Amino acid sequence: EPEVTQTPSHQVTQMGQEVILRCVPISNHLYFYWYRQILGQKVEFLVSFYNNEISEKSEIFDDQFSVERPDGSNFTLKIRSTKLEDSAMYFCASSVPAGASYNEQFFGPGTRLTVL
Amino acid sequence: RKEVEQDPGPFNVPEGATVAFNCTYSNSASQSFFWYRQDCRKEPKLLMSVYSSGNEDGRFTAQLNRASQYISLLIRDSKLSDSATYLCVVNSNSGYALNFGKGTSLLVTP
Repeated sequence: EPEVTQTPSHQVTQMGQEVILRCVPISNHLYFYWYRQILGQKVEFLVSFYNNEISEKSEIFDDQFSVERPDGSNFTLKIRSTKLEDSAMYFCASSVPAGASYNEQFFGPGTRLTVL
Repeated sequence: RKEVEQDPGPFNVPEGATVAFNCTYSNSASQSFFWYRQDCRKEPKLLMSVYSSGNEDGRFTAQLNRASQYISLLIRDSKLSDSATYLCVVNSNSGYALNFGKGTSLLVTP
């Protein structure tokens, strides 16, 4: 069964450093997403991406965040200057639109980001 | 008001029991509704989409009440492997973003 993959599984970085989280969405999917989950809290939407551009972003997704699809398979999330509060599990997801209103998203296993 | 609200539990039930989870959502324009399950420190996994007429998948039954903005999940004949956190999920106005509840924790005991 096709699945979303993410690397690395765990990333430790110093405050102020840049990190890039990588994802390979399911191959025939058209929409890609990043979510985060701070320990003990709910899953929060960051950004959605379609046709090589951002289609929606949340208030969390400020200027320190960027996304890119550098080739036909990878989808990346860059955090330019990490802060302690960026420590979280970051999930990538992908979906194929199934009609106008349904959007079943499939999640990767996540990257646990620890900012020291 | 939180966008998606769930009773956090925990629900502790014996194997074979029937258990029901409820969820309310605030955005009356929402069109897509889902239940995901999440095991500890793992990714959310889609359990089932929730359709207006209600739908069933094996031991799982989901219901939607748009007038009350209420979604439910019923699990029959609980198994030990059903132990997880169940996430109620509703799409945003745009249709892209998913809004998650904090989840309801279920522990099925022998």
